[in-house]
Amino acid sequence: DQQVKQNSPSLSVQEGRISILNCDYTNSMFDYFLWYKKYPAEGPTFLISISSIKDKNEDGRFTVFLNKSAKHLSLHIVPSQPGDSAVYFCAALMYSGGGADGLTFGKGTHLIIQP
Amino acid sequence: EAGVVQSPRYKIIEKKQPVAFWCNPISGHNTLYWYLQNLGQGPELLIRYENEEAVDDSQLPKDRFSAERLKGVDSTLKIQPAELGDSAVYLCASSLDRRTEAFFGQGTRLTVV
Repeated sequence: DQQVKQNSPSLSVQEGRISILNCDYTNSMFDYFLWYKKYPAEGPTFLISISSIKDKNEDGRFTVFLNKSAKHLSLHIVPSQPGDSAVYFCAALMYSGGGADGLTFGKGTHLIIQP
Repeated sequence: EAGVVQSPRYKIIEKKQPVAFWCNPISGHNTLYWYLQNLGQGPELLIRYENEEAVDDSQLPKDRFSAERLKGVDSTLKIQPAELGDSAVYLCASSLDRRTEAFFGQGTRLTVV
């Protein structure tokens, strides 16, 4: 049973517009959420994170929103640039025991920025 | 500062042969992870080390997979014997501790034929 779900395998967005990537989770014990970006033939690169005690974290063009009651988070990229084309993974971390002690990843969303 | 270094980048072996992967984490990072990534999937945790101690290896298929982290720095992951289904990308990651973001190496793409 997947605890972190990214239901959109791919997303196409025009350059300059906003990209919104969504992620849902089922385990309310998760304390910390992260987004990773992955280019082909490279390892995932950490992008931005958010603690479960916050509902928003912003870093330049990237903003992550967390809705704990809905068990949903989203990554907003504004404005979208061609270099943003990559696979984006949502991941969750549990500080206390009761589950896997490493990051739990979703299956990823392939973001394609159209010129 | 150097990132997580993995070798080899690519490996092709015949089934039933042994194979080993090596990982050098970021200096000062106490936590080291090995992840497995199949095509179209997110990374899945195989094992986590805190210094030299394996503290979570519940997802590691222990009949054929083994790992070690000598002196709490470098780590090796071994498969013996390899099976066709082991073809995947093996990712190593490290973090300051288990509550902070992990930094990944480039991965080793294993193909078992």
